[in-house]
Formats: sequence, structure tokens, C-alpha cells
Amino acid sequence: GDSVTQMEGPVTLSEEAFLTINCTYTATGYPSLFWYVQYPGEGLQLLLKATKADDKGSNKGFEATYRKETTSFHLEKGSVQVSDSAVYFCALSDPMNYGGSQGNLIFGKGTKLSVKP
Amino acid sequence: NAGVTQTPKFQVLKTGQSMTLQCAQDMNHEYMSWYRQDPGMGLRLIHYSVGAGITDQGEVPNGYNVSRSTTEDFPLRLLSAAPSQTSVYFCASSLVGDTEAFFGQGTRLTVV
Repeated sequence: GDSVTQMEGPVTLSEEAFLTINCTYTATGYPSLFWYVQYPGEGLQLLLKATKADDKGSNKGFEATYRKETTSFHLEKGSVQVSDSAVYFCALSDPMNYGGSQGNLIFGKGTKLSVKP
Repeated sequence: NAGVTQTPKFQVLKTGQSMTLQCAQDMNHEYMSWYRQDPGMGLRLIHYSVGAGITDQGEVPNGYNVSRSTTEDFPLRLLSAAPSQTSVYFCASSLVGDTEAFFGQGTRLTVV
């Protein structure tokens, strides 16, 4: 079945450091790919998405490119801030899953990021 | 904008008790889903619905029931709570053909 694998955390960085969180996926169909962010005590928020190969999603200085050849969707940010401290989830939505519903997601295990001043 | 509203935020149950986690959305979304979040496991799909009167199972449905009598509401029922159901539960909704899911703030459930 479909799956998402993302790098284990926690990740601790100093402010203004470069961030990469690796994510790879396995899917039977042509999935859409997402990064969600969860701030402490809150629900998940969509950070960015890409719906087809070679698309680049970007938001708030974060970006990720849908690489079909390497089945990857790595999250990057050039200069992290303390306010970026959160748990980041890579996820996919595969129309071949769950009756063709694109409303349902398969998540990676999450990567906790802590940014120190 | 209310978005997706879950109640309660926290709940403690004794083993064998039953309860219903409530979820409501005001965005007229067709799709609604329930996930559970466990440490080191990410989020896993419990049940989902593609519209009023239509529900189906996700990855981990055992011990949970759902119904969808209206577009707005999608309650999750625990019939006989077990310690293994201690988790944080998230409800989500989305539009048909749209790939962005909107999440509630979660319900932290402890079964003792």
C-alpha cells in the first residue's frame, strides 16, 4: 500500500540556519503531496502542496519540489526562525485509495523541529 | 470563520465506557475524516465520509463507529473504550476535487 517516510527527529537548529526535512513516498496512483505543520497544542495546518510531478510548492519561505523520479518531496527553508518550531508532517493523497477520495491523507510520522535563538 | 470544530478538547474515560467525539464544519465540505495521532506513528485514518449518508473505513477502524446524517456533522463513537484508544483525535474536512484538508484542534482522550 501507499506510504510516506520522513526523516526522524527531533531536529534542533540555530536561528537563520538552513533546514531540510527529507520525505519519500510510495504510491500506486498519481498522488498529490503535502507538508502540514502542527504548532504546539494546535491542529494541523497546510503549509504547502504540489499536485503533479515537477511542481514546486512554497509558502512562508518554505518550499518543496515534487520529484517523481526519486519519489521525493523534501522540505527546505533557507533561514529558519524561532517561530518555525513545530512538528512537520509529509503526507500524500492518492486517488487510488479509499474509493478514490482525494480528501484523505497518508502521513509520515512527523519531524519535530526546534529552533534556538 | 469557525472552520472545523471538535468537542470536547480533553476527555478521560474508564475502560468499558462509551462516548461520542463531536465534529462539525461550516464550510459545506463533502469529505470528512477522523484520524488518530499517536507518538511516533503520525496520523492514521480511522473512518471517512464522502457525503451525507455515506461512510467507510480507513486504516484503523476497529472499536469506532461513525455516521453522517448531515453535511456539517461527523461524530465518532467509541462503544467500549480501551486503553489502546488513548490518543489525540483529529477531524478533518475538504471539498470534492480539492486537495487541502482543514483540521480541527483535536480531542485528547485518555482511557484508564
